[in-house]
Amino acid sequence: DSGVTQTPKHLITATGQRVTLRCSPRSGDLSVYWYQQSLDQGLQFLIQYYNGEERAKGNILERFSAQQFPDLHSELNLSSLELGDSALYFCASTHTGGTGLGYTFGSGTRLTVV
Amino acid sequence: AQTVTQSQPEMSVQEAETVTLSCTYDTSENNYYLFWYKQPPSRQMILVIRQEAYKQQNATENRFSVNFQKAAKSFSLKISDSQLGDTAMYFCAFMTPYISNFGNEKLTFGTGTRLTIIP
Repeated sequence: DSGVTQTPKHLITATGQRVTLRCSPRSGDLSVYWYQQSLDQGLQFLIQYYNGEERAKGNILERFSAQQFPDLHSELNLSSLELGDSALYFCASTHTGGTGLGYTFGSGTRLTVV
Repeated sequence: AQTVTQSQPEMSVQEAETVTLSCTYDTSENNYYLFWYKQPPSRQMILVIRQEAYKQQNATENRFSVNFQKAAKSFSLKISDSQLGDTAMYFCAFMTPYISNFGNEKLTFGTGTRLTIIP
């Protein structure tokens, strides 16, 4: 157990629907990052939150949004889903402050859009 | 913008042999961190090893070691005495600690090298 919890582990939904992915960071970590990994692809950075505030944005579609709550858990909302949104979505957290300790990843949510 | 390049999409090696995975990066920063992550078939992302750019000594973690060449912007991973459990996708990653922008430490990944250990 890495300490980063992602739910659900698997999600199957139809095109056009909306889903919410949830992430609880490791205890003490203030930053949460969301990544998308399509089949046999690398990890694409979507968005970062730090202590409730959005800090960095990557290749995140307008149909996607995220937020971080006061208890530091984060949710990634995906709407108007398309077949191409099928992917593994990772959440990661880190202890910030320039220590460069790297990220701790959750086990991911596998989203299948049918 | 920083980029990370892994030029070997796939590699395979016999069990117990040594294998080296290549990674190059491009940055204008002087202070940064480099990482190798392993993603086995379970798809879990596991940190293998990290290197701080200001340290000349190459990092080592048991059978895993790196060859960090800062001037050449090269960061290769050597796996010694390879084991079946080393079969995985390996990602090289780069991070700049933005001290002046506390909390924004973006990790940039390469496209990965799929490593297969052959029994």
